Amino acid sequence: EAGVVQSPRYKIIEKKQPVAFWCNPISGHNTLYWYRQNLGQGPELLIRYENEEAVDDSQLPKDRFSAERLKGVDSTLKIQPAELGDSAVYLCASSGGLAGRYEQYFGPGTRLTVT
Amino acid sequence: GNSVTQMEGPVTLSEEAFLTINCTYTATGYPSLFWYVQYPGEGLQLLLKATKADDKGSNKGFEATYRKETTSFHLEKGSVQVSDSAVYFCALTNSGAGSYQLTFGKGTKLSVIP
Repeated sequence: EAGVVQSPRYKIIEKKQPVAFWCNPISGHNTLYWYRQNLGQGPELLIRYENEEAVDDSQLPKDRFSAERLKGVDSTLKIQPAELGDSAVYLCASSGGLAGRYEQYFGPGTRLTVT
Repeated sequence: GNSVTQMEGPVTLSEEAFLTINCTYTATGYPSLFWYVQYPGEGLQLLLKATKADDKGSNKGFEATYRKETTSFHLEKGSVQVSDSAVYFCALTNSGAGSYQLTFGKGTKLSVIP
């Protein structure tokens, strides 16, 4: 079974530029999460989707961040414009299927560097 | 709100040494507890879990027991190997509060030397 796929793995951009991250969850997983992991910290939730509906986006900085999950499968997270403080690893996770909601499976992440 | 506190690293051990990484939590209701591991250059992997008090999660020689009375979920392994070198994260979800959001500790980096 394929795991959670993310791309790109690395991205370097200048501040004020836009950037987008893509995630393909494990097949059959209805719940998809985006986390941000700052250096030396644990991941923090940005947004959670149940199918195509964003059910928890309270920690998403909505002035510059947006996300979508069309058709309830793949998801894209966008930052526009990027700021220096957005440098972090952006992790996508999914859950569902036989393991249920308790187990979240993570992708390898996208390491963003804003210069 | 929910929070997780784990011992600060880095931790450096010799091969075959005993490992303990302390983790305590604050949460309302009945959280589920997890240990995730992050190997260099990889994403987080679920190592073990416990969903109710006194449950013991175990995997790959690692163990942790859900202690509600001390709000703890310490990770242990009797004999570490070089391949165990990674960053370990303690985490919880609080489904009783209607959320499956994972709250993580800051992580503990483990280095095992031959």
